[in-house]
Amino acid sequence: GAVVSQHPSWVICKSGTSVKIECRSLDFQATTMFWYRQFPKQSLMLMATSNEGSKATYEQGVEKDKFLINHASLTLSTLTVTSAHPEDSSFYICSEAGGINEQFFGPGTRLTVL
Amino acid sequence: AQKVTQAQTEISVVEKEDVTLDCVYETRDTTYYLFWYKQPPSGELVFLIRRNSFDEQNEISGRYSWNFQKSTSSFNFTITASQVVDSAVYFCALSSNDYKLSFGAGTTVTVRA
Repeated sequence: GAVVSQHPSWVICKSGTSVKIECRSLDFQATTMFWYRQFPKQSLMLMATSNEGSKATYEQGVEKDKFLINHASLTLSTLTVTSAHPEDSSFYICSEAGGINEQFFGPGTRLTVL
Repeated sequence: AQKVTQAQTEISVVEKEDVTLDCVYETRDTTYYLFWYKQPPSGELVFLIRRNSFDEQNEISGRYSWNFQKSTSSFNFTITASQVVDSAVYFCALSSNDYKLSFGAGTTVTVRA
């Protein structure tokens, strides 16, 4: 399967700052990527679908102005958490779509907002 | 709307015991895909299996086996002769042709030596 990397693997920031998380496809051209959020001891929730060269599609309840997604190339999608607050602390996981309804997941980024 | 239910929140077993994880799903689509993922403490999701709605054959892979029954909308997962390394959170998930995955709440499996 495809190899997906995320950077950084963890980040600690102060409340009010913005944090950018990168999701890279290392061996595949991904026209579609997904961003998930996972709070402690909870399941993964889809935040948005990131499409190369076009605007992301956000799931209901996800603020698009707070979670900015850019998918400018076939190998890179970025998620920027703007004006982060402690309630944004979570595990963020990206994935790329491939094959027949397959998704290849990145290792995740753990965000802690102080 | 799609929904995946994993009724078991936590399961604790002693090594070498078998453990079965239940998964019940809801969907109106006739074509859909079911998945199981393992999430160890490191957090990275490990893909275990994908099954499409037209393939009801059960599958065995080493100590893992899956039982897919469309009649009861279930896709259960059994670990035979469990080992400590099997300790993790296991997620059942469902998607249709749009690739979007709906995850169950997850079942935490703890295998004690």
